[in-house]
Parts: sequence; C-alpha cells; structure tokens
Amino acid sequence: ILNVEQSPQSLHVQEGDSTNFTCSFPSSNFYALHWYRWETAKSPEALFVMTLNGDEKKKGRISATLNTKEGYSYLYIKGSQPEDSATYLCAFIVYNAGNMLTFGGGTRLMVKP
Amino acid sequence: SQTIHQWPATLVQPVGSPLSLECTVEGTSNPNLYWYRQAAGRGLQLLFYSVGIGQISSEVPQNLSASRPQDRQFILSSKKLLLSDSGFYLCAWSVLWDRGETQYFGPGTRLLVL
Repeated sequence: ILNVEQSPQSLHVQEGDSTNFTCSFPSSNFYALHWYRWETAKSPEALFVMTLNGDEKKKGRISATLNTKEGYSYLYIKGSQPEDSATYLCAFIVYNAGNMLTFGGGTRLMVKP
Repeated sequence: SQTIHQWPATLVQPVGSPLSLECTVEGTSNPNLYWYRQAAGRGLQLLFYSVGIGQISSEVPQNLSASRPQDRQFILSSKKLLLSDSGFYLCAWSVLWDRGETQYFGPGTRLLVL
C-alpha cells in the first residue's frame, strides 16, 4: 500500500497571505506526481504534472516544486485570494504504473477576505 | 471539446439493494476510464480503471464491479450495497495510459446507503 501524506489537513489564511503545503510520498520507484485542485461543488482539476527531480512548475500565483530523492513536493500560493479556497490534492504514480494515481488526503485551504 | 457525464448526481439506497452508476465521455475516442471513491473523512481511492472496451482492472477488493460495454461508457455496479459503500464516486478519463497524462473528472455521484 502506497503512503501519500499531505500536510496540513486544513489551513486558514487571510487574503493576501502566501502559503504552502506539503505532499510526502515514497522516494523509491517514483514515476510522477500530480497536483489537483478541488473546489466545493466542482470536479477536481489538474494543476501540475511533475516527473523530474528538481522540477518547478508555475501557473499564475501557484507554483510547485519536486524532490524525488527525499520524497516530497511543495505547493506554494502567493498572495492568496478567496477564490483559491479549495482542497489541494497530490497524487503519486509508482514506477511503470501507467496513469494509476494514488491520492493523498488533501489539504483544505480556506482564504478569508 | 470533451465532456464527461455522471448520473445520478445523488442517490440514497437501502443496504442490500443493487447499484448502477453510469459515466459517459463525449468528444474523444478510446479514453482510459477510472472510478474513484471518496469515503467520509478519507482521500480519493482508485477503485477500477479501464484501458479499453471489456478491459477492467480492480484496485481494491470489494463488493463493487465495473463494466465497459461501450468505448465511452463506464458503469459501476453492486449486487448488494453495504453501509460502507456510502461516499462520493467520481469517474475520470485520460487520453493516454501515461504518467504525464492529466485525468479529467466528472461531476460525481453522492451515494448514501442507509
């Protein structure tokens, strides 16, 4: 059983604050890491797909880094806005497992205006 | 453009009753299809995936089954529901069976077994 952990489970920040959270995964047999964003009453949407150690991806105010040797990825949100409120999910793919995602429990972010 | 549909949106079923949840994808051919469940207080768990018609792989032993009778149709079934089957069921699709492929999720079905 693959263990994908996300921390914290939930996070409350003020509008304008920058924030970050962590996804930890097994460092052996790494194949890929996906980040998804899941807003309430909507479907999860892909943010990033990361496959190489040291990868850094950015989309607007959101960025992510990847360390496959130590088994973690950070997601950063700069200048949080209320519309960033959502659950952020990471999902790990073990080597040669095609597109089989093992999700972490998610970090629920609430941004107060 | 591609769209994914799931129905019903919400379902309340008694323990021991059968289940059929349907997922269809439009605008693409030969997609990879996935069923996930989110039980209360837990993360998304992959239940089944399919890389082609009639090809189903199960990730978690349980009383659920899946079928793919047509290229873009994926059905999740049970003969007798358990209380523990309650949860939010999401269907997803991807173009390729590849680690870099994004999965696109449907709107989900909320199932409550009483």
